[in-house]
Amino acid sequence: NAGVTQTPKFQVLKTGQSMTLQCAQDMNHNSMYWYRQDPGMGLRLIYYSASEGTTDKGEVPNGYNVSRLNKREFSLRLESAAPSQTSVYFCASSEPAHPGDTEAFFGQGTRLTVV
Amino acid sequence: ELKVEQNPLFLSMQEGKNYTIYCNYSTTSDRLYWYRQDPGKSLESLFVLLSNGAVKQEGRLMASLDTKARLSTLHITAAVHDLSATYFCAVFQGGSEKLVFGKGTKLTVNP
Repeated sequence: NAGVTQTPKFQVLKTGQSMTLQCAQDMNHNSMYWYRQDPGMGLRLIYYSASEGTTDKGEVPNGYNVSRLNKREFSLRLESAAPSQTSVYFCASSEPAHPGDTEAFFGQGTRLTVV
Repeated sequence: ELKVEQNPLFLSMQEGKNYTIYCNYSTTSDRLYWYRQDPGKSLESLFVLLSNGAVKQEGRLMASLDTKARLSTLHITAAVHDLSATYFCAVFQGGSEKLVFGKGTKLTVNP
């Protein structure tokens, strides 16, 4: 099983460029998440989607947009990248209503550098 | 607004010793996760705690949840070097699918 797949794994952007981080899950989960991880800050929630067609802001949404394209895919867009957005980005999915195992599964991460 | 605090943020311990990591959260929740992360890697699920009084154990790690106190603990018994990693707790905000992480506890186990 692939689980949660993120693309790309690495990316270097120039300040002001735009890009979209892709995330897809094959577990038929309803909930999907985007986090950023910076040293000493843990994982901070950017946006989440509790179901297809819905999105909500997390702790640090400024400078980002998201799209829940369908149940499988949840993308994160940086419209005008800034050096402060240099980080490791993780996508996750979960299905809290599933009986038993309800953990959130994580992708392998995208290392983004904005110069 | 849900806040999740972990203590300590850094922990250096000797092999064979016991210690506890604490995870406090600020609002009602009925679901809490513990994860492990090795340097440069993604997050690996350790425990899922879904009810007050829940206790789960895997090897040298044991996690518990007290929803009334809004507190979860991760207890390490007779630490070994392989447990060196960063440990995160994550809490669902009550009544929503918003999942908020603590800042993590970086554990170093020294020979």
